[in-house]
Amino acid sequence: GEDVEQSLFLSVREGDSSVINCTYTDSSSTYLYWYKQEPGAGLQLLTYIFSNMDMKQDQRLTVLLNKKDKHLSLRIADTQTGDSAIYFCAVPDSGGYQKVTFGTGTKLQVIP
Amino acid sequence: DAGITQSPRYKITETGRQVTLMCHQTWSHSYMFWYRQDLGHGLRLIYYSAAADITDKGEVPDGYVVSRSKTENFPLTLESATRSQTSVYFCASTSDRGQPQHFGDGTRLSIL
Repeated sequence: GEDVEQSLFLSVREGDSSVINCTYTDSSSTYLYWYKQEPGAGLQLLTYIFSNMDMKQDQRLTVLLNKKDKHLSLRIADTQTGDSAIYFCAVPDSGGYQKVTFGTGTKLQVIP
Repeated sequence: DAGITQSPRYKITETGRQVTLMCHQTWSHSYMFWYRQDLGHGLRLIYYSAAADITDKGEVPDGYVVSRSKTENFPLTLESATRSQTSVYFCASTSDRGQPQHFGDGTRLSIL
Protein backbone atom coordinates (compact mmCIF):
# COMPACT_ATOMS: atom_id res chain seq x y z
CA GLY A 1 0.00 0.00 0.00
CA GLU A 2 0.82 3.65 0.00
CA ASP A 3 3.45 4.99 2.38
CA VAL A 4 3.08 8.65 3.37
CA GLU A 5 5.67 10.38 5.54
CA GLN A 6 5.61 13.66 7.42
CA SER A 7 7.80 15.19 10.07
CA LEU A 8 6.07 15.12 13.44
CA PHE A 9 6.63 18.63 14.70
CA LEU A 10 7.22 22.17 13.48
CA SER A 11 7.61 25.32 15.56
CA VAL A 12 7.47 28.82 14.03
CA ARG A 13 7.13 32.38 15.26
CA GLU A 14 3.94 34.28 14.62
CA GLY A 15 4.20 36.18 11.34
CA ASP A 16 6.78 33.83 9.82
CA SER A 17 6.04 31.34 7.06
CA SER A 18 5.51 27.67 7.84
CA VAL A 19 6.36 24.88 5.44
CA ILE A 20 5.02 21.40 6.09
CA ASN A 21 6.39 18.61 3.93
CA CYS A 22 5.01 15.26 2.84
CA THR A 23 6.52 12.45 0.79
CA TYR A 24 4.66 9.51 -0.65
CA THR A 25 5.48 6.36 -2.56
CA ASP A 26 2.68 6.15 -5.11
CA SER A 27 -0.63 7.72 -5.98
CA SER A 28 -3.43 7.57 -8.47
CA SER A 29 -4.00 10.53 -10.74
CA THR A 30 -6.54 12.44 -8.71
CA TYR A 31 -6.39 15.01 -5.96
CA LEU A 32 -3.91 15.18 -3.10
CA TYR A 33 -5.20 16.75 0.08
CA TRP A 34 -4.20 18.70 3.13
CA TYR A 35 -6.33 18.42 6.25
CA LYS A 36 -6.20 20.44 9.47
CA GLN A 37 -7.09 19.02 12.88
CA GLU A 38 -7.60 21.37 15.80
CA PRO A 39 -7.52 20.01 19.37
CA GLY A 40 -10.50 17.81 20.16
CA ALA A 41 -11.94 18.07 16.67
CA GLY A 42 -12.17 16.04 13.51
CA LEU A 43 -10.20 16.61 10.34
CA GLN A 44 -11.19 19.52 8.16
CA LEU A 45 -10.26 19.73 4.51
CA LEU A 46 -7.86 22.65 4.20
CA THR A 47 -6.90 22.60 0.55
CA TYR A 48 -6.11 20.21 -2.27
CA ILE A 49 -4.20 20.03 -5.53
CA PHE A 50 -4.94 18.04 -8.63
CA SER A 51 -2.14 15.73 -9.63
CA ASN A 52 -1.52 17.48 -12.98
CA MET A 53 -0.74 20.80 -11.23
CA ASP A 54 2.57 22.00 -9.78
CA MET A 55 1.24 24.72 -7.53
CA LYS A 56 -1.98 25.99 -6.09
CA GLN A 57 -2.41 29.19 -4.12
CA ASP A 58 -5.36 29.91 -1.87
CA GLN A 59 -5.00 33.10 0.19
CA ARG A 60 -2.25 32.41 2.74
CA LEU A 61 -1.88 28.79 1.64
CA THR A 62 0.39 27.55 -1.15
CA VAL A 63 0.56 23.90 -2.12
CA LEU A 64 3.50 22.66 -4.15
CA LEU A 65 3.57 19.26 -5.83
CA ASN A 66 6.67 17.62 -7.27
CA LYS A 67 5.39 14.44 -8.89
CA LYS A 68 8.83 13.32 -9.99
CA ASP A 69 10.12 13.31 -6.41
CA LYS A 70 6.69 12.40 -4.96
CA HIS A 71 6.87 15.40 -2.66
CA LEU A 72 3.99 17.58 -1.49
CA SER A 73 4.34 20.70 0.63
CA LEU A 74 2.03 23.18 2.32
CA ARG A 75 3.24 26.71 2.93
CA ILE A 76 1.34 28.98 5.29
CA ALA A 77 2.26 32.63 4.92
CA ASP A 78 2.09 35.03 7.88
CA THR A 79 1.43 32.18 10.32
CA GLN A 80 -1.01 33.06 13.09
CA THR A 81 -1.60 31.47 16.50
CA GLY A 82 -4.91 30.18 15.14
CA ASP A 83 -2.93 28.07 12.69
CA SER A 84 -1.65 25.93 15.57
CA ALA A 85 -2.98 22.46 14.78
CA ILE A 86 -2.00 19.10 13.34
CA TYR A 87 -1.75 19.01 9.56
CA PHE A 88 -2.21 15.81 7.58
CA CYS A 89 -1.44 15.15 3.97
CA ALA A 90 -3.61 12.52 2.30
CA VAL A 91 -2.76 10.62 -0.84
CA PRO A 92 -5.22 8.41 -2.77
CA ASP A 93 -4.42 4.73 -3.05
CA SER A 94 -4.00 3.31 -6.51
CA GLY A 95 -6.85 0.89 -5.84
CA GLY A 96 -10.53 1.69 -5.84
CA TYR A 97 -13.11 2.56 -3.21
CA GLN A 98 -11.80 6.07 -2.77
CA LYS A 99 -9.26 4.97 -0.20
CA VAL A 100 -6.63 7.42 0.86
CA THR A 101 -3.58 7.03 3.04
CA PHE A 102 -2.93 9.73 5.61
CA GLY A 103 0.46 10.85 6.78
CA THR A 104 1.28 10.68 10.48
CA GLY A 105 0.51 14.39 10.83
CA THR A 106 2.71 17.40 11.58
CA LYS A 107 1.96 19.33 14.75
CA LEU A 108 2.45 23.04 14.08
CA GLN A 109 3.19 25.18 17.10
CA VAL A 110 3.02 28.94 16.58
CA ILE A 111 4.94 30.98 19.12
CA PRO A 112 3.51 34.45 19.79
CA ASP B 1 -28.23 19.65 10.36
CA ALA B 2 -26.62 18.29 7.22
CA GLY B 3 -23.29 16.59 7.62
CA ILE B 4 -21.73 13.62 9.30
CA THR B 5 -22.34 12.95 12.97
CA GLN B 6 -20.80 10.46 15.34
CA SER B 7 -22.15 9.24 18.65
CA PRO B 8 -21.30 9.04 21.41
CA ARG B 9 -18.58 11.69 21.57
CA TYR B 10 -17.04 10.06 24.62
CA LYS B 11 -17.30 6.51 25.91
CA ILE B 12 -15.69 4.65 28.78
CA THR B 13 -16.16 0.92 28.99
CA GLU B 14 -14.50 -2.18 30.39
CA THR B 15 -12.50 -4.91 28.71
CA GLY B 16 -14.66 -7.68 27.32
CA ARG B 17 -17.71 -5.50 26.77
CA GLN B 18 -19.32 -4.97 23.40
CA VAL B 19 -19.54 -1.36 22.29
CA THR B 20 -21.00 0.17 19.15
CA LEU B 21 -19.98 3.50 17.70
CA MET B 22 -22.51 5.18 15.44
CA CYS B 23 -21.95 7.20 12.29
CA HIS B 24 -24.67 8.96 10.31
CA GLN B 25 -24.35 11.13 7.19
CA THR B 26 -27.02 13.18 5.46
CA TRP B 27 -25.36 13.62 2.06
CA SER B 28 -26.22 10.16 0.68
CA HIS B 29 -22.51 9.61 0.04
CA SER B 30 -21.71 6.18 -1.33
CA TYR B 31 -18.40 5.70 0.44
CA MET B 32 -17.95 5.57 4.19
CA PHE B 33 -14.88 4.86 6.31
CA TRP B 34 -13.84 4.17 9.88
CA TYR B 35 -10.41 5.25 11.12
CA ARG B 36 -8.66 5.12 14.42
CA GLN B 37 -6.19 7.81 15.46
CA ASP B 38 -3.33 6.96 17.79
CA LEU B 39 -0.25 8.95 18.68
CA GLY B 40 2.58 8.19 16.29
CA HIS B 41 0.35 6.31 13.85
CA GLY B 42 -1.73 9.02 12.26
CA LEU B 43 -5.03 7.71 10.95
CA ARG B 44 -5.37 4.02 10.21
CA LEU B 45 -8.24 2.60 8.21
CA ILE B 46 -10.31 -0.01 10.03
CA TYR B 47 -13.12 -0.73 7.57
CA TYR B 48 -14.69 0.94 4.60
CA SER B 49 -17.85 0.63 2.53
CA ALA B 50 -18.54 1.48 -1.10
CA ALA B 51 -22.33 1.23 -0.80
CA ALA B 52 -25.05 -0.32 1.31
CA ASP B 53 -24.26 -3.97 2.00
CA ILE B 54 -20.73 -3.65 0.59
CA THR B 55 -17.96 -3.50 3.19
CA ASP B 56 -14.31 -4.43 3.24
CA LYS B 57 -11.38 -4.57 5.61
CA GLY B 58 -8.84 -1.85 5.94
CA GLU B 59 -5.42 -1.83 7.55
CA VAL B 60 -6.41 -2.75 11.14
CA PRO B 61 -9.74 -4.67 11.11
CA ASP B 62 -9.11 -7.26 13.83
CA GLY B 63 -11.56 -7.04 16.71
CA TYR B 64 -14.03 -4.84 14.81
CA VAL B 65 -17.25 -5.52 12.94
CA VAL B 66 -19.19 -3.20 10.64
CA SER B 67 -22.50 -3.25 8.86
CA ARG B 68 -24.19 -0.99 6.36
CA SER B 69 -27.84 -1.81 5.88
CA LYS B 70 -28.68 1.80 4.96
CA THR B 71 -26.59 4.23 2.92
CA GLU B 72 -26.60 6.87 5.65
CA ASN B 73 -25.48 4.70 8.58
CA PHE B 74 -22.21 2.88 9.17
CA PRO B 75 -21.92 1.55 12.75
CA LEU B 76 -18.66 0.13 14.09
CA THR B 77 -18.83 -2.58 16.76
CA LEU B 78 -16.08 -3.74 19.07
CA GLU B 79 -17.25 -7.25 19.87
CA SER B 80 -15.10 -7.74 22.98
CA ALA B 81 -13.24 -4.55 23.81
CA THR B 82 -9.54 -4.67 24.69
CA ARG B 83 -7.32 -1.96 26.16
CA SER B 84 -5.42 -1.72 22.88
CA GLN B 85 -8.61 -0.43 21.29
CA THR B 86 -8.52 2.71 23.42
CA SER B 87 -8.31 5.38 20.74
CA VAL B 88 -10.09 8.19 18.96
CA TYR B 89 -12.35 6.87 16.21
CA PHE B 90 -13.32 8.90 13.18
CA CYS B 91 -15.95 8.23 10.60
CA ALA B 92 -15.70 9.79 7.14
CA SER B 93 -17.67 9.79 3.91
CA THR B 94 -17.25 10.84 0.31
CA SER B 95 -19.33 10.83 -2.82
CA ASP B 96 -17.02 9.76 -5.57
CA ARG B 97 -13.50 9.03 -6.66
CA GLY B 98 -11.34 12.12 -6.45
CA GLN B 99 -13.56 13.90 -3.97
CA PRO B 100 -12.29 14.65 -0.46
CA GLN B 101 -13.46 12.73 2.55
CA HIS B 102 -15.53 14.60 5.12
CA PHE B 103 -15.00 13.70 8.75
CA GLY B 104 -17.12 13.52 11.85
CA ASP B 105 -15.92 15.01 15.13
CA GLY B 106 -14.79 11.66 16.47
CA THR B 107 -15.56 9.34 19.38
CA ARG B 108 -13.04 9.22 22.20
CA LEU B 109 -13.15 5.66 23.51
CA SER B 110 -11.40 4.54 26.69
CA ILE B 111 -11.32 0.89 27.66
CA LEU B 112 -10.41 0.18 31.26
